Amino acid sequence: SYVLTQPPSVSVAPGQTARITCGGNNIGSKSVHWYQQKPGQAPVLVVYDDSDRPSGIPERFSGSNSGNTATLTISRVEAGDEADYYCHVWDTSSDRVIFGGGTKLTVL
Amino acid sequence: QVQLQESGPGLLKPAETLSLTCTASRGSISSSGYYWGWIRQPPGKGLEWIGSIYYSGSTNYNPSLKSRVTISVDTSKNQFSLKLSSVTAADTAVYYCARQRVEGWYPFDFWGQGTLVTVSS
Repeated sequence: SYVLTQPPSVSVAPGQTARITCGGNNIGSKSVHWYQQKPGQAPVLVVYDDSDRPSGIPERFSGSNSGNTATLTISRVEAGDEADYYCHVWDTSSDRVIFGGGTKLTVL
Repeated sequence: QVQLQESGPGLLKPAETLSLTCTASRGSISSSGYYWGWIRQPPGKGLEWIGSIYYSGSTNYNPSLKSRVTISVDTSKNQFSLKLSSVTAADTAVYYCARQRVEGWYPFDFWGQGTLVTVSS
């Protein structure tokens, strides 16, 4: 079955750029979505279809996808961005949702 | 925008059947272009997709849970439901319902607040 691999943790100083990766076999051929989950809250969609942002999501959140790696980029990181981030694809070969294991973003 | 609310028992004994309902407001379950899904998250762990349903009744399930899962929809009540049979402690988790948009390859664009289900004797 298809597997998405995320680093368990990423740390970044305020004002810097955070990059969270999601690896998968030929993931560049799939559409990747990203969710932000703060403690005790439901996940929130922050990027869909590789690089689109839902309304209300700051432009600081962006996404890219090529080859075997998709990347969520958070520019000018703020303390409020500290959260768990999950990537997600729809695997057409099996008609199922696949989530990555999640990455904890720590703002130093 | 659509709002989703999970409801159901928060405590089950091993071997019982988990039953949860998700009620949608400010939006119709019968709208074309959306699936309606269930996702769970064990304490301190990541997200696990359980399955999704279209208003017509068409379903997709996680193969690892498929033998124990039934998802159904009641358009007259604007609700969809989850049943998970023969639960064990490993099924203890926060259960979320969410809307899944067909356009853009099925992102979950709106989520319920989640409900904790604990399995314990």
